[in-house]
Amino acid sequence: GQQVMQIPQYQHVQEGEDFTTYCNSSTTLSNIQWYKQRPGGHPVFLIQLVKSGEVKKQKRLTFQFGEAKKNSSLHITATQTTDVGTYFCAGTRATDSWGKFQFGAGTQVVVTP
Amino acid sequence: NAGVTQTPKFQVLKTGQSMTLQCAQDMNHNSMYWYRQDPGMGLRLIYYSASEGTTDKGEVPNGYNVSRLNKREFSLRLESAAPSQTSVYFCASSVAGGPLETQYFGPGTRLLVL
Repeated sequence: GQQVMQIPQYQHVQEGEDFTTYCNSSTTLSNIQWYKQRPGGHPVFLIQLVKSGEVKKQKRLTFQFGEAKKNSSLHITATQTTDVGTYFCAGTRATDSWGKFQFGAGTQVVVTP
Repeated sequence: NAGVTQTPKFQVLKTGQSMTLQCAQDMNHNSMYWYRQDPGMGLRLIYYSASEGTTDKGEVPNGYNVSRLNKREFSLRLESAAPSQTSVYFCASSVAGGPLETQYFGPGTRLLVL
């Protein structure tokens, strides 16, 4: 079964508001990547986190990797209509010798103007 | 560069029919992947090819076969399509296939099996 869980599954946000989506793994991860998929499109790489406790920012997006390397979060501030889409996290288990990514089910974000 | 291309974009099959999904990349990447995407399930790895000449099963390989034809091309074959294989199929590639590699996805093939 799916070992990387994402919550929430859906996020309805008013334009200008902040929100956070979470990614949780049952096993320790080597790294975690975040992808964004626009409606009808394909996943596009956003960022990668490797170190325990790592925090990275991309403009209004803040990504965090947990201390135990089992969870991650994506926080978006001042949401815009361009943020619409589904955000996926993908992790590689620390026990895997090769990059077989486990994708979460995604958080679908809808932005109301 | 076109990146990762997939054909066809859409396909409707009847149960029991066969078809091959084509994928090609022009980024000189060594590793290629096939995923399927179903509502509420995210992306699940079907098969991958770490390098030319090698292929391995992913999470959901049953009902599929793959061929890494050369470094550029990686095809996915459904020998006898079933309604459970209705899905969106994405091909992806990465430079070397390690856990730190970014994956580049194609536009997808939307498959409906009746």
